[in-house]
Amino acid sequence: KQEVTQIPAALSVPEGENLVLNCSFTDSAIYNLQWFRQDPGKGLTSLLLIQSSQREQTSGRLNASLDKSSGRSTLYIAASQPGDSATYLCAPYNYGQNFVFGPGTRLSVLP
Amino acid sequence: DVKVTQSSRYLVKRTGEKVFLECVQDMDHENMFWYRQDPGLGLRLIYFSYDVKMKEKGDIPEGYSVSREKKERFSLILESASTNQTSMYLCASSWTGNQYFGPGTRLTVT
Repeated sequence: KQEVTQIPAALSVPEGENLVLNCSFTDSAIYNLQWFRQDPGKGLTSLLLIQSSQREQTSGRLNASLDKSSGRSTLYIAASQPGDSATYLCAPYNYGQNFVFGPGTRLSVLP
Repeated sequence: DVKVTQSSRYLVKRTGEKVFLECVQDMDHENMFWYRQDPGLGLRLIYFSYDVKMKEKGDIPEGYSVSREKKERFSLILESASTNQTSMYLCASSWTGNQYFGPGTRLTVT
């Protein structure tokens, strides 16, 4: 069964810093991996989807990389802003199985 | 853009009441899911459906049932609400491994 961990569990940084959020998963036979953002009391918003054949995916200040063989994905956030404060979850997907979510990294960007 | 809507953002119910949570998606997705999210426990799958009138139990189905009469609508039913069902409920739909979530329903059972 797929198991997902995320490091760090929480992160507090001053505005403007570049950030790295890590996601590890045990079953590398994934179909794709999705990164989500969740604001307090809200649903999950999809940020990036990386297919298993891709190495990385970019959207604005966000860049997600995928190393399927080692079971790792990394979310880079460039020039962080207070509006980036949220919980970030990764979700590797194995085809034909249910989605599995990491516990999340709670990010706080201080002005 | 895919849109997943949930019938209520906040709901307060009494113990023993029958509760209906509705979810509607507008992208003709076959797959729909109900999760609950609790502090320290993360997202847990309650039920899912891969087609109309089809349903499968997830990891924590006890105390819940679902209904999917139309492709776009997936309903979660709490037959007799209990205080331990106080939680955030999230609905999602998916296509080719890409999940889309609704805004969530915060349910409080008193």
